[in-house]
Amino acid sequence: NAGVTQTPKFQVLKTGQSMTLQCAQDMNHNSMYWYRQDPGMGLRLIYYSASEGTTDKGEVPNGYNVSRLNKREFSLRLESAAPSQTSVYFCASTAGLGTDTQYFGPGTRLTVL
Amino acid sequence: QKEVEQDPGPLSVPEGAIVSLNCTYSNSAFQYFMWYRQYSRKGPELLMYTYSSGNKEDGRFTAQVDKSSKYISLFIRDSQPSDSATYLCAMSGGAQKLVFGQGTRLTINP
Repeated sequence: NAGVTQTPKFQVLKTGQSMTLQCAQDMNHNSMYWYRQDPGMGLRLIYYSASEGTTDKGEVPNGYNVSRLNKREFSLRLESAAPSQTSVYFCASTAGLGTDTQYFGPGTRLTVL
Repeated sequence: QKEVEQDPGPLSVPEGAIVSLNCTYSNSAFQYFMWYRQYSRKGPELLMYTYSSGNKEDGRFTAQVDKSSKYISLFIRDSQPSDSATYLCAMSGGAQKLVFGQGTRLTINP
């Protein structure tokens, strides 16, 4: 099993460009999450999806949109990238509740110039 | 004030030392406490999981939770260079979301 996969691994954007970060899990998990990680800030939740067909905002949702395409896939879209969105983005999944173990992908390193 | 506070370090100790990593929190509803380990340029992985107060031991690692003080700790005995990583505490009140600390960057020097 691949676990949680993310594409791309690296991306450089110019201010105002858009892009979609892809995430997929093969563990038949119900819940999926998008985090960003900045130096000294830990992991901050952007959006999550408790189950297929539902999405909810996390701590830092502004500037992002998400789509739970099916049970396996959860994408994160930046409509108009800003330098403040330069970060490392992690996708995670759990079998059910947030108290379950979260399994993380390898991350996407995004730089916005 | 953040819900979860963790000293970001960095922390550097010699091989074989006992390491103590700590987090404080403000939300008394937190019942589930976790420690994740993150190697450089990798995603975090669950290391320890504790429910409510008390201690949990797994090999060289011990997790402690003191709910009365809103304080959790991770101890690493006989530290090894392979323990060099960033350690993130995380906690939840049972809802869908985890709240993470800032992470402590730890280096074990041979």
